Amino acid sequence: EIVLTQSPGTLSLSPGERATLSCRASQSVSSSYLAWYQQKPGQAPRLLIYGASSRATGIPDRFSGSGSGTDFTLTISRLEPEDFAVYYCQQYGSSPSTFGQGTKLEIK
Amino acid sequence: EVQLVQSGAEVKKPGESLKISCKGSGYSFTSYWIGWVRQMPGKGLEWMGIIYPGDSDTRYSPSFQGQVTISADKSISTAYLQWSSLKASDTAMYYCATPFSYSSSWRGGGPFDYWGQGTLVTVSS
Repeated sequence: EIVLTQSPGTLSLSPGERATLSCRASQSVSSSYLAWYQQKPGQAPRLLIYGASSRATGIPDRFSGSGSGTDFTLTISRLEPEDFAVYYCQQYGSSPSTFGQGTKLEIK
Repeated sequence: EVQLVQSGAEVKKPGESLKISCKGSGYSFTSYWIGWVRQMPGKGLEWMGIIYPGDSDTRYSPSFQGQVTISADKSISTAYLQWSSLKASDTAMYYCATPFSYSSSWRGGGPFDYWGQGTLVTVSS
C-alpha cells in the first residue's frame, strides 16, 4: 500500500501568513488522485481538495493544491483564524486508500 | 441533502461483540459507496474499508481485514461496522463517509465528501 508522509508535523504561523503543507507518497499516486482534508477538534474531517488541485464545493479560494507523482502541496494563501486545525492528505488512486499522519497548523 | 447519521457512543468490555451503524438519507443509498475511517485517541485517520450497498461489494484495508466486518442493509439505507471480539486497542472514534461526488480508477475509490458525525467506541475492563 502507498504510505503518505506529511511535513511538517506542526506548523506555527500567524493569521495573514501563508501556509505550505507537504505530502509525499512512497510511490506514484495514480492520476493525481490525492485529496486534502481539514479537521477541527470534535468535528469530522472536511474535504478541501480532490484530484490534487480541485477545490471541493464551498471551499474558499485561499486554499489551493498542487503536485503530481509523489509530491503534493496544500497552500493556504492568507491564514484566517478559522484555518488553524489539523490537515490530512489521502491517496485514493490505488487500493487500499491511505491517509497521511497529519499536519497540525497552530497559531504562533 | 446528503446526510449520514451514526449510532451513539458505546462502552464495551474486551471480548464483547459490537455493531455500529450509519444511516444514509437524501440520496439513493444503493448507488454510492460508504466507507469507514478509524481515528484512535489523539491520532490520525485510517481508511478501514468500503462497501457498495447495491451489490454488497466490499473492500478492506489489509490492516483491518479479518478484524472487522462491513455490511449494509439496503432496505433501511444503513451500513454497519461490526466486531466479534473487541480489544482495548479498538477504542477509537469511527466515522462513516461517502465518496458521493467524486470517484477513482478503482471500484470503491474516491475522496470522502460527506461524513457522519462519528461514533465513539470505548473498550475497557
